[in-house]
Amino acid sequence: NAGVTQTPKFRILKIGQSMTLQCAQDMNHNYMYWYRQDPGMGLKLIYYSVGAGITDKGEVPNGYNVSRSTTEDFPLRLELAAPSQTSVYFCASSLSSGANVLTFGAGSRLTVL
Amino acid sequence: AQKITQTQPGMFVQEKEAVTLDCTYDTSDQSYGLFWYKQPSSGEMIFLIYQGSYDEQNATEGRYSLNFQKARKSANLVISASQLGDSAMYFCAMRAGAVYGNKLVFGAGTILRVKS
Repeated sequence: NAGVTQTPKFRILKIGQSMTLQCAQDMNHNYMYWYRQDPGMGLKLIYYSVGAGITDKGEVPNGYNVSRSTTEDFPLRLELAAPSQTSVYFCASSLSSGANVLTFGAGSRLTVL
Repeated sequence: AQKITQTQPGMFVQEKEAVTLDCTYDTSDQSYGLFWYKQPSSGEMIFLIYQGSYDEQNATEGRYSLNFQKARKSANLVISASQLGDSAMYFCAMRAGAVYGNKLVFGAGTILRVKS
């Protein structure tokens, strides 16, 4: 099993550019999440989804958009990139019941210059 | 609102000794879950241990144990017999109640350095 796969691993953007971070999971998890981790800090929730077609905002959604057309995929769209979006982005997934341990992807390091 | 506080920005421990990483939480929910994750320098997030609010026994997983003190709202991670490979950032996180989406709230983390 691949678990949670994120692409790309690294990306440099110019201010104002847009891009999509891809996330796919093969564990048939209903719940998926996008977190960002700024240097030396904990993770903050950007968006989450409880199933295909259902998404909702987390703590820091401004400047981002998501979609969930399938159970497996949960892409994160950055529109009009800003230096404040320089961060490491983690995608995660979990089952919809029980302890709900989150399984994380390897992370995507984004730099906006 | 749920909040996790990790008051130790960094800790040092001698190899083979035990170390406790502190975590306090704040929630008004009766049902919640507490998690610890490890983030080595390579960056991935590794799940270590889970404690449910109704669990009567403290959780243990190998060299990891969770010292759960409900009245004090603390969920400290104890690592026994520290190894060099334990050097990493450690995050405490909480899932509170029947929160829609079972979202986790994370603390700021504690960097642990194991000395040989």
